[in-house]
Amino acid sequence: AQSVSQHNHHVILSEAASLELGCNYSYGGTVNLFWYVQYPGQHLQLLLKYFSGDPLVKGIKGFEAEFIKSKFSFNLRKPSVQWSDTAEYFCAVNGPGSGGSNYKLTFGKGTLLTVNP
Amino acid sequence: EADIYQTPRYLVIGTGKKITLECSQTMGHDKMYWYQQDPGMELHLIHYSYGVNSTEKGDLSSESTVSRIRTEHFPLTLESARPSHTSQYLCASSELGQLNSPLHFGNGTRLTVT
Repeated sequence: AQSVSQHNHHVILSEAASLELGCNYSYGGTVNLFWYVQYPGQHLQLLLKYFSGDPLVKGIKGFEAEFIKSKFSFNLRKPSVQWSDTAEYFCAVNGPGSGGSNYKLTFGKGTLLTVNP
Repeated sequence: EADIYQTPRYLVIGTGKKITLECSQTMGHDKMYWYQQDPGMELHLIHYSYGVNSTEKGDLSSESTVSRIRTEHFPLTLESARPSHTSQYLCASSELGQLNSPLHFGNGTRLTVT
């Protein structure tokens, strides 16, 4: 079965620091990759996604992620974080190992990002 | 703002009570899902539906049941709540036929069974 690992449970940064959140998955075939974000008191929402093509994908609010197939990774990055980026971030993977369609995404445990002003 | 609505937002009930968690979406999505999430843990799929009269069990075994009588409505029911059911329950929807369309989530229901 597909599994998703997010290595950092809680990351604390100061404003303007650079961010990189790790995400690794287990299935070696064709996958579709997502990052979701949950701001305090709000619902989970899509931050960015990768299906095919350019492995560097850009999402909302200046976030980007790079798909490295050889490393089974899809790390999330942002050059300069803001206090408003404080949230929980979830990596999710969908591929034949998890049902072959969106209905059975496999999520990581999430990384809580705290940005201090 | 979410187009998928869950009620109640918080629920505290005693053991043995029957409860229904409501979920409605206004986007006309065919696919709907229920996830269970405990603090610091992954989201686990417990139920999903492809459309009206379609319901399936997810990856995580759950004593809850669901129904899909209308496209927009996907309630989850626990016949007899127990403390082990204490968790956050997230409802989501997505478009059928759109390959890998993203999930739209509700705000969740945080259930506490005493």
